[in-house]
This record gives sequence, structure tokens and C-alpha cells, in this order.
Amino acid sequence: KQEVTQIPAALSVPEGENLVLNCSFTDSAIYNLQWFRQDPGKGLTSLLLIQSSQREQTSGRLNASLDKSSGRSTLYIAASQPGDSATYLCAVISNTGKLIFGQGTTLQVKP
Amino acid sequence: NAGVTQTPKFQVLKTGQSMTLQCAQDMNHEYMSWYRQDPGMGLRLIHYSVGAGITDQGEVPNGYNVSRSTTEDFPLRLLSAAPSQTSVYFCASSYSEGANVLTFGAGSRLTVL
Repeated sequence: KQEVTQIPAALSVPEGENLVLNCSFTDSAIYNLQWFRQDPGKGLTSLLLIQSSQREQTSGRLNASLDKSSGRSTLYIAASQPGDSATYLCAVISNTGKLIFGQGTTLQVKP
Repeated sequence: NAGVTQTPKFQVLKTGQSMTLQCAQDMNHEYMSWYRQDPGMGLRLIHYSVGAGITDQGEVPNGYNVSRSTTEDFPLRLLSAAPSQTSVYFCASSYSEGANVLTFGAGSRLTVL
């Protein structure tokens, strides 16, 4: 059974710092991996999608990497801003199409 | 604006009552799904549909029914609400299963007393 783990559960950093959020999964047979952002009381917004054949995707200050063989993905946020404060979730899509979420990392960026 | 619309945003039920959470999308997405989000449990898939007339169970389907009579709508029915169904429910859609970015609704917060 696929399990997705995100560590740490919470992270607090000063504004301007570069940071890395981690996501690990137990079954490397994935179709793709997505990173989402969730603001308090809101739905999820897709940030980046990495196909299983890709190693990374970039969008602005965000860069997501994927290493299927080790069962890991990282979300790199450059020059963090207070507006980046949110919960970040990763989700893997299995080859059967099922989306399995991690429990998320809650990020606080202090001014 | 195009997207996924969920109603109601908030609902309080008594144990044993039934209700329907509505989900509609105007992006002509074939794939639609329902998740529940609970503290410490993350998001878990309840039911999903790969097209009109086709539905299937996810990870936690017990106590919920779905139907997909049109491409646009995917309602989630609670047949006899239980306190364990207190949660935040999210509907999501994409062009197809698996390959595409999921678009989420804003969520429906349900409390069962």
C-alpha cells in the first residue's frame, strides 16, 4: 500500500530564507507527483506537477524535484516571503490513477 | 470564473439525517472526485468518477453514495449521517484520471452532532 510522508509537519523560517520541503513515498511505481498549497479554510491549489519521467519542474520561485528510485520529492522555495505561509501537500498518483496525499507541512514565514 | 463549485460551505446535521453535498465544474473535465480532510489523516479519497455514468469507490467509501448523470455534476450523498463523518469535504476535477492537474473546490465543512 502506498504511503506518503511529509517531514517536518511544521516549519518556521525568517523572510528571505531559502527552504526545502520533503515528501517521501513507499512505492516507486507512480504515474506522477503533485505539490499543492492550502491556505487556512481554503481548498487546494496545484503548484507543480512532475510526470514520472521527469526529474524536476519549476514555476517562479518554486522548484520541485523527483527521485523515483529513492521514493523522494522535494519542493524548494527560494527567497521565502510571508505570503508563502500556508500548508504544502504532496500527492502521488499511482499507476492505477489513485491520488494519495501526504499530511502536509505547515510553513510560517516570519517578516 | 471557471472552476469547481461546492455547496453548501457549511452544514450542521444531527445523527441519522441525510444530505447531499453538491459539486459542479464548468471545465468539461471527465474526472471528478470527492475527498475528506481530517486532522492528522490528510486527504482521503471517498469516491471518484472517470466520466458520466461511471463511478467507483475510493479509500473510505462507507456511508457515502455518488452518482454522475452529467459531466458537470458529481453530488455526494450521506445516507445516515454519523459523528465520524464530521469533516471538511473537497471535490476535485481534472481532464482525465491521473495525468492532469487537479482543480479543487473551496470545500464544505460538515458537522454531525
